[in-house]
Amino acid sequence: DGGITQSPKYLFRKEGQNVTLSCEQNLNHDAMYWYRQDPGQGLRLIYYSQIVNDFQKGDIAEGYSVSREKKESFPLTVTSAQKNPTAFYLCASKPTGSSYEQYFGPGTRLTVT
Amino acid sequence: SQKIEQNSEALNIQEGKTATLTCNYTNYSPAYLQWYRQDPGRGPVFLLLIRENEKEKRKERLKVTFDTTLKQSLFHITASQPADSATYLCAFRDDKIIFGKGTRLHILP
Repeated sequence: DGGITQSPKYLFRKEGQNVTLSCEQNLNHDAMYWYRQDPGQGLRLIYYSQIVNDFQKGDIAEGYSVSREKKESFPLTVTSAQKNPTAFYLCASKPTGSSYEQYFGPGTRLTVT
Repeated sequence: SQKIEQNSEALNIQEGKTATLTCNYTNYSPAYLQWYRQDPGRGPVFLLLIRENEKEKRKERLKVTFDTTLKQSLFHITASQPADSATYLCAFRDDKIIFGKGTRLHILP
């Protein structure tokens, strides 16, 4: 079964702690993306990676970090420097080629108190 | 900077009628537009792509139009059903894909 998975579905953390969100895909896609979604804000791009061992900042990268050591995996770390980390986080992947659609994971809802 | 706008308010449509959602863009001439569906608490799912040289694209009860002069795409759902209730997002690609904020559609039984 091909797809993109995110875990966990819900995550709770105390303020000041770093937390890592998992994203795995077995679609053999080169590009992977992390978005944040807040009510009324739409999807905002955090980081993206077009190839293994390379990634670029998106529109709201401050307070986040990523790695792309394997093609299948693109974990996102929400650091304590992120001022408002509570949000719905979506991971996506896309095959090479400009017009191909993005395939999204089910999302992780992070709550920081 | 590039901008993509969708109706920010929810759209209520009676079951069986045609629902029409609007996507406008500025400061860019995209080669294509995509439409996605998102259900609450889930990731978006791709529905349709329309290229700049295509006036219209259809898939079952869905129809998308692309007017490069008006800088607008319209998304139609004909014979709408309560199961069509969701948020619909449009997107185009610059150096990365840019999403609109989405329009919430409610199909009333």
